[in-house]
Amino acid sequence: AQSVTQLGSHVSVSEGALVLLRCNYSSSVPPYLFWYVQYPNQGLQLLLKYTSAATLVKGINGFEAEFKKSETSFHLTKPSAHMSDAAEYFCAVSSIIQGAQKLVFGQGTRLTINP
Amino acid sequence: DAGVTQSPTHLIKTRGQQVTLRCSPKSGHDTVSWYQQALGQGPQFIFQYYEEEERQRGNFPDRFSGHQFPNYSSELNVNALLLGDSALYLCASSLDFGGNYGYTFGSGTRLTVV
Repeated sequence: AQSVTQLGSHVSVSEGALVLLRCNYSSSVPPYLFWYVQYPNQGLQLLLKYTSAATLVKGINGFEAEFKKSETSFHLTKPSAHMSDAAEYFCAVSSIIQGAQKLVFGQGTRLTINP
Repeated sequence: DAGVTQSPTHLIKTRGQQVTLRCSPKSGHDTVSWYQQALGQGPQFIFQYYEEEERQRGNFPDRFSGHQFPNYSSELNVNALLLGDSALYLCASSLDFGGNYGYTFGSGTRLTVV
């Protein structure tokens, strides 16, 4: 079975500082990996996805993630945090069973930005 | 371009009652998946519908059932509600049941069971 572990349920950084959200996955087949962001009382918005092309994936709002097979990691980074980045972030791996695909999510990381 | 639309946005039900949640997928999307997100947790996969059939199901009891209509919209039904069913229910649509182009999520329906 595929799974995702997000290290740190809560991350706090200062405005302008580097954002690093950690995600490790477990998959017996080449995975598709996703990062989603969830603002309060809203659904999930796709930040970026890895689908076996380039290992460094650029997403929206200045975020990027690097797929490292040897480390089974897909950490999310942003060089300079902005107040509007405060939200819950979810890493997810896709699991294909009997031709249908589902997303398996991590527990989430709440990002707080300090002024 | 309208995204995924879910209704209602909030709902309060009593234990033992039944509830129906609705989802209209993003224009051009033919696959609908439903997820349950308990407070402080990541979303959990309930099931996926494609071509009006349930293609895959997560670890949820038979009290959870669904339907997909010819226009690709979908319903999630939950019978005999339990307090533990209180959660945010998210609908996600995609272009194909492989989700290769990513999923678009709705804002969810917040269900409270009292």
